Formats: sequence, C-alpha cells, structure tokens
Amino acid sequence: AQKITQTQPGMFVQEKEAVTLDCTYDTSDPSYGLFWYKQPSSGEMIFLIYQGSYDQQNATEGRYSLNFQKARKSANLVISASQLGDSAMYFCAMRGINTGGFKTIFGAGTRLFVKA
Amino acid sequence: SQTIHQWPATLVQPVGSPLSLECTVEGTSNPNLYWYRQAAGRGLQLLFYSVGIGQISSEVPQNLSASRPQDRQFILSSKKLLLSDSGFYLCAWSALVETSGTEQYFGPGTRLTVT
Repeated sequence: AQKITQTQPGMFVQEKEAVTLDCTYDTSDPSYGLFWYKQPSSGEMIFLIYQGSYDQQNATEGRYSLNFQKARKSANLVISASQLGDSAMYFCAMRGINTGGFKTIFGAGTRLFVKA
Repeated sequence: SQTIHQWPATLVQPVGSPLSLECTVEGTSNPNLYWYRQAAGRGLQLLFYSVGIGQISSEVPQNLSASRPQDRQFILSSKKLLLSDSGFYLCAWSALVETSGTEQYFGPGTRLTVT
C-alpha cells in the first residue's frame, strides 16, 4: 500500500536559520515521484519541489532542497535561510505507477512557524 | 498560461441542503481533473478524478458526486449535505499524459461550512 508519513505536526524555526521537515514514504512502485507543497493560511496549494525516484541528485529549487534517501524511503524538505513568509503548512506527496498514474497521495502535513 | 478557477470561495449551507461547487480550467486542453477535500488541520483526501468529459472515478463512497459536462469544467455536487461534509475543497488539474513526475496545479479552494 502507498503511504506518506509526516511525523512532525508542528515545527518552530528562527528567522534566517535552516529547517528540515521530515517525510517518509512506503511504496512498491519501481518508479515514483515525490513532491512538496506549501499551503499558506489563504489555502492555496503551492508546488515547491519535485524528486524523481531515479534521479541521482537531490532536487533543489532556490532555498528549497530535497534530501532524498531512497534506501531509507525518506524525502525530507530543507528550507535554508527561513523567512517569516515561510510560515505555512507543508505537505509531502507521492505519485507512482501503482497509484494508477492519476492519484497523488498526501501526508498529513507539518505546520511551520518562523519566529522573528 | 494556465489558470484554474473555483467558486464560490466560501459557502455556509444548512444540513440537508444541496451543494454545487464549480471548477474551470483555462489555457489547456484535455486536462485530468481532480476534487480533493481537506478537513481542518489535515491532509488532502482525493474524492474524484476525471480523465475526460463524462468520465468520473470515485475514490471515496459518500453522498457527494462529480460531473464533467465540458472538457475544462468539473462540478462537485450533493443532494443533501451532512455535517461531515464541512471542509476545504480543492480542485486540481494535470496534463493528460501523466508520469510519476506530473505536477498537479491547484485552484484557490472553496471553504464549506455545513451548519
């Protein structure tokens, strides 16, 4: 069965520091994609970063990087130099062949609080 | 560029009343369309997805239904709302030809409160 686990309901980080949001997954798919989305209080889901299961290098997008450890089935999001605007809910998600190709599974989310 | 619209943005409805939420996509053809529900403080639950006009797949048995009368229009409906239908409803689209790396693009959402 496909599953995404985010074990941190809430996280605090000081402004300008780096923070890691954890995500582990379970899948039997040989090929899958991992995504991180940000959801501010307005409710919109904002795509942040994508990692393919066969990608050799960890994905990076500006201040966001994905620490992908395939053997451990983890895909942690690292935000460097946190900003006040980073305060939001963050969701880890996965899509694979065995999810029918049309289904993205989301974790329960981690709420990040950035302190000034 | 592609945009996705949802309305209404917020809705307060009494138990037992009908529901109709609308989602439209611009700037793309033959998208895959999705309805998700997010309960307060929770992750997203896939409710329905559609790969074409009139083609709807349901993920969760419930008193909700979906329809796709046009290529870029997706409607979520209910004949009689329950208290448990309260939540944040998100519509999303993705490209027709999908791989595991295909990104989904989300609309602004509708916040539904059933009283």
